[in-house]
Amino acid sequence: ETGVTQTPRHLVMGMTNKKSLKCEQHLGHNAMYWYKQSAKKPLELMFVYSLEERVENNSVPSRFSPECPNSSHLFLHLHTLQPEDSALYLCASSQDPGLESGELFFGEGSRLTVL
Amino acid sequence: AQSVTQLDSQVPVFEEAPVELRCNYSSSVSVYLFWYVQYPNQGLQLLLKYLSGSTLVKGINGFEAEFNKSQTSFHLRKPSVHISDTAEYFCAVSEWAAGNKLTFGGGTRVLVKP
Repeated sequence: ETGVTQTPRHLVMGMTNKKSLKCEQHLGHNAMYWYKQSAKKPLELMFVYSLEERVENNSVPSRFSPECPNSSHLFLHLHTLQPEDSALYLCASSQDPGLESGELFFGEGSRLTVL
Repeated sequence: AQSVTQLDSQVPVFEEAPVELRCNYSSSVSVYLFWYVQYPNQGLQLLLKYLSGSTLVKGINGFEAEFNKSQTSFHLRKPSVHISDTAEYFCAVSEWAAGNKLTFGGGTRVLVKP
């Protein structure tokens, strides 16, 4: 496998469920990101991990819990979500934490629907 | 704080016609600038980037963009579009020494008509 892989591609869950989104990058990068893409809104940065440490948390509700066990894997644990959390969740990775190399590599996203 | 404005939410264009997508940014410091493309049911892919040097940047698939510091703009152009260019295009900015923070504009949806 190459690039950034996200699973599952589609997820439907009730408000009381607990689920997780998984992201894996095969590019040897040292920074990973979670973005939320909602209809008619700009992409929202949720979390950033650099060298497996969280360096950015943009006031995301605690019902979203990230986990980065190593530089190749990133999870987003979901619990007690609301219907307005329905969105496309995009994972990305980059080589340099400071973005000097200038590029994020994105996965294809996990489409989440909360009923 | 940085911000990005894409003035057009949708741009319909006929095949083989030129297209320009507008992007303006706001920042108090020097920036890096990017254009990403998102095809249906896919993630974002880098089209081109401006880090330094020449203000005219060429990217993949025949796209180019010009950095204008005085107007704080980074407009994207293609002289002749194809049906396959139908997608959503995102302008993004990162401030120097700001770490991992990449701010995206709201996106411009391009629909190429035959």
